[in-house]
Amino acid sequence: DAGVIQSPRHEVTEMGQEVTLRCKPISGHDYLFWYRQTMMRGLELLIYFNNNVPIDDSGMPEDRFSAKMPNASFSTLKIQPSEPRDSAVYFCASRWTAHTGQFFGPGTRLTVL
Amino acid sequence: DQQVKQNSPSLSVQEGRISILNCDYTNSMFDYFLWYKKYPAEGPTFLISISSIKDKNEDGRFTVFLNKSAKHLSLHIVPSQPGDSAVYFCAARAVGGADGLTFGKGTHLIIQP
Repeated sequence: DAGVIQSPRHEVTEMGQEVTLRCKPISGHDYLFWYRQTMMRGLELLIYFNNNVPIDDSGMPEDRFSAKMPNASFSTLKIQPSEPRDSAVYFCASRWTAHTGQFFGPGTRLTVL
Repeated sequence: DQQVKQNSPSLSVQEGRISILNCDYTNSMFDYFLWYKKYPAEGPTFLISISSIKDKNEDGRFTVFLNKSAKHLSLHIVPSQPGDSAVYFCAARAVGGADGLTFGKGTHLIIQP
């Protein structure tokens, strides 16, 4: 298996633009998580899905952030409009119900100018 | 308010010696603890975990110790090898709560030759 796949790996955009980050979880995993890593706050959970259904989005910072999981093999995290303080590395992770450890993708480094 | 704290941002250890990484937590509802290892430009990789019903878990060169009364856990790596140089994250999961993990800010372990 290729592991968790994220795209793009790097994104540079201007303030006010819409940004869409993509994730393909490991096949067969029924949980998907979105995290954000910053120097100030470390790794923070934004939202997670179970069987494609959002379970907890209390970590989503603002209404500008939204996430979807239309099927078991794809999820998106969208920021509209983006702001410079959204600059961070965004990680997607997935896991199988019977295993607590999560498998992380390589991350998307987002820079908002 | 950080619920998982790694108070040492960095640690330098000589190759062949023991590396001890520490982690403290404040939330009594945490019932499962994990250690992740992260190389630059990669996502965190699951290393080892421990349930709150145990006080020790060992996997090869890696051992995690849990002291529930002190709300403290530690990761021991022995002997330390150059490939162990990475950032190590402590993470915890709350019983009956969200399936997402709460992470510490990480400790950068540097193995000196």
